[in-house]
Amino acid sequence: GAGVSQSPSNKVTEKGKDVELRCDPISGHTALYWYRQSLGQGLEFLIYFQGNSAPDKSGLPSDRFSAERTGGSVSTLTIQRTQQEDSAVYLCASSPSRGNTGELFFGEGSRLTVL
Amino acid sequence: KQEVTQIPAALSVPEGENLVLNCSFTDSAIYNLQWFRQDPGKGLTSLLLIQSSQREQTSGRLNASLDKSSGRSTLYIAASQPGDSATYLCAVPYNTDKLIFGTGTRLQVFP
Repeated sequence: GAGVSQSPSNKVTEKGKDVELRCDPISGHTALYWYRQSLGQGLEFLIYFQGNSAPDKSGLPSDRFSAERTGGSVSTLTIQRTQQEDSAVYLCASSPSRGNTGELFFGEGSRLTVL
Repeated sequence: KQEVTQIPAALSVPEGENLVLNCSFTDSAIYNLQWFRQDPGKGLTSLLLIQSSQREQTSGRLNASLDKSSGRSTLYIAASQPGDSATYLCAVPYNTDKLIFGTGTRLQVFP
């Protein structure tokens, strides 16, 4: 596609429910990133994919968070048993370059609200 | 550990002024630095990417400079316009796989 596409753009859920956030990177981009932006906070790194593998999962806040990428393209971030502190905007970015040597292109984000 | 700081945190100026936004980082062993713009409720838009071998990059009214040895970058905005109002973020690579972002400068340009 023309840019990084994320869905849903907004998600309101009840505490304890599971949510899935989807990211469609720019076609041909091998690197994919998930970041989280909480209200008034900076961007927090969550996970990075090179192709389908995730060399670095160190940013995932807890074992309730998981992510996968299939076919070197679409990625899904799953949050199980959501908590109120999970409320944030989840941003996905892709890059044509390996690692973080190149320019990053971000999606519009998925705003998650946990009641 | 890499830390990125942006000054000022917020800036409000009249239209037409030339602006300088500052970004500093603690570990000078970087191979690039990227400036982004974020509009309220939106994702990030890449503005400029400066490689470590470069001193500056220009795009339209924007000019970004990089001084690795002093751990600083500046984003210069010429002849500011109300449409420039947004939060500006700088980011540097850390390890091989992530960017570390500053907390941003929130810019408001009023007519």
